[in-house]
Amino acid sequence: GAVVSQHPSRVICKSGTSVKIECRSLDFQATTMFWYRQFPKQSLMLMATSNEGSKATYEQGVEKDKFLINHASLTLSTLTVTSAHPEDSSFYICSAIAPGASGNTIYFGEGSWLTVV
Amino acid sequence: DAKTTQPPSMDCAEGRAANLPCNHSTISGNEYVYWYRQIHSQGPQYIIHGLKNNETNEMASLIITEDRKSSTLILPHATLRDTAVYYCIVRVGSNTGKLIFGQGTTLQVKP
Repeated sequence: GAVVSQHPSRVICKSGTSVKIECRSLDFQATTMFWYRQFPKQSLMLMATSNEGSKATYEQGVEKDKFLINHASLTLSTLTVTSAHPEDSSFYICSAIAPGASGNTIYFGEGSWLTVV
Repeated sequence: DAKTTQPPSMDCAEGRAANLPCNHSTISGNEYVYWYRQIHSQGPQYIIHGLKNNETNEMASLIITEDRKSSTLILPHATLRDTAVYYCIVRVGSNTGKLIFGQGTTLQVKP
């Protein structure tokens, strides 16, 4: 299937700093990507929809100024966690829509573990 | 909120078929049923999806009831590597990639 790649897979940052996570579609173009967050032993929670060339759409309760999303090209979306705090430590996952014969399929990246110390 | 309900956990013997049920009684006519699984500390892996016909691929089979209010994912010969959390998801809108995850079913395949 289509491949979505995230980088870095793990990152540790100090409280108060910002950290950027990249999401790339490797063999297809994605005008729309999605960012999720997952805390331990919980399900994935949709944070925002990343739209190429326009502003991201955030889910209710997600701070857009804290979680900056940029989708500057058809193969790359970035999530920047600004002024990170320990409670932002989580597993961040992106997904993208890949076209297919039987309807579009959504593929996920490998995820990025963020630890804020 | 997720539009699906699944049992929180199931066990299956290695080599046997694993049948994972999912209820989606409020599904709309143009909404697809998707199945993903997540192995610990990894991103979700796509398994299969369907609209109203039964589907089969190299990983699994998807059986959707005629009224589309429920479905069953079948792993025909479960292995230890199939131990994971399985998510049944109704896709919001026919062309969006927005997936709302429920709690899923934790499948434990035992030797």
